[in-house]
Amino acid sequence: DGGITQSPKYLFRKEGQNVTLSCEQNLNHDAMYWYRQDPGQGLRLIYYSQIVNDFQKGDIAEGYSVSREKKESFPLTVTSAQKNPTAFYLCASSIVLAGRNNEQFFGPGTRLTVL
Amino acid sequence: QQQVKQSPQSLIVQKGGISIINCAYENTAFDYFPWYQQFPGKGPALLIAIRPDVSEKKEGRFTISFNKSAKQFSLHIMDSQPGDSATYFCAASIDGGTSYGKLTFGQGTILTVHP
Repeated sequence: DGGITQSPKYLFRKEGQNVTLSCEQNLNHDAMYWYRQDPGQGLRLIYYSQIVNDFQKGDIAEGYSVSREKKESFPLTVTSAQKNPTAFYLCASSIVLAGRNNEQFFGPGTRLTVL
Repeated sequence: QQQVKQSPQSLIVQKGGISIINCAYENTAFDYFPWYQQFPGKGPALLIAIRPDVSEKKEGRFTISFNKSAKQFSLHIMDSQPGDSATYFCAASIDGGTSYGKLTFGQGTILTVHP
């Protein structure tokens, strides 16, 4: 049963704490992405990785960090430096083929709330 | 800077009617334009996508119309059904180079189809 899993589904964090969101895929995709979704603003790219041990900043990387030690895993850490972390976080993956865009498959998301 | 503008923000349509959602982009280097459908609490799923070598693409009840000179593209949902009620996002990206995979999303349109 292939797909993308994100955990936890809901996460509560106190101000000043770092928190790590999990994203795992068994689709054998090379590329993985993290997006943040806020009401009325669509999805904004935080970080993306096209290959293991390499990742690039997206449009809103400040206050976030990632790692890509395994092809199937791309965890996102929301640090205390992120000023407004309450949001819905979405992970996605895609194949990488000849530099052309391909369908991005999304996970079910993690809703983070800062108390 | 917002590079993809989507309208309307919300749309109410009667069952059997046509739903039309519009997007305009600024970056003429964009050459991949997908539409995503998202149900509440779920991740988005690719609905249909187009590249600028064609002006229209149809898949079942869903059609993308693309106007390269106007830098606009739109989603038409024919014979709209209550099950189509969801949030729809347009997006755009650049094929090739190091930018592929970086989707820029519109703000989203909440579609409600009344029975």
